[in-house]
Amino acid sequence: EVQLVQSGTEVKKPGESLKISCKVSGYSFTSQWIAWVRQMPGKGLEWMGIIYPADSDVRYSPSFQGQVSISADKSITTAYLQWSSLKASDTAIYYCARQRGSYPSHFDYWGQGTLVTVSS
Amino acid sequence: DIQLTQSPSFLSASVGDRVTITCRASQGVPSSLAWYQQIPGKAPKLLIYATSTLQSGVPSRFSGSGSATEFTLTIGSLQPEDFATYYCQHLNNYLTFGGGTKVEVK
Repeated sequence: EVQLVQSGTEVKKPGESLKISCKVSGYSFTSQWIAWVRQMPGKGLEWMGIIYPADSDVRYSPSFQGQVSISADKSITTAYLQWSSLKASDTAIYYCARQRGSYPSHFDYWGQGTLVTVSS
Repeated sequence: DIQLTQSPSFLSASVGDRVTITCRASQGVPSSLAWYQQIPGKAPKLLIYATSTLQSGVPSRFSGSGSATEFTLTIGSLQPEDFATYYCQHLNNYLTFGGGTKVEVK
């Protein structure tokens, strides 16, 4: 069974760093791209970027380029989304999702989401 | 970048209604589209990919069609579990999502 299990809720202050995770199981981690999607409170879905774990090829949405960093650790089949300095506007739910097939393609499995709250 | 505009943004409907949601691209989309359903408090769920292919396990009352700049998601007969928000996604370059259509109880 394909599963993407994300790390838990985070409450941070502006300026702090953060790394959230997406643990994958049930298929070959290096064979499919993993994407990150943001959903701000009461808003729609925004594609942030995507990584191919086999070689760590990363593509970013222009809106998120330079704002976040996406990485993966093949040894523990986990993808990461990282911030070096959080802002209040980073408050959102963040989803990881498996992209099916060759890039670009649809997202067939999703994690449960990680709520990140940034507040002083 | 290609922008995707969904219409309507909100839709009030009753159980049994036929519902159509439109997704318009700012320029011709040479590749295809996907549709997702999101129930409040839950992760999005894939309904349709490659414009018209039903994801495994999705009821056949859902269908997709379209090409170039206009795509549609149709729910043939709305069921209670279908009240949700629906998103289209452009499957090219930046994997952009549309703004969403919330289907509410009339």
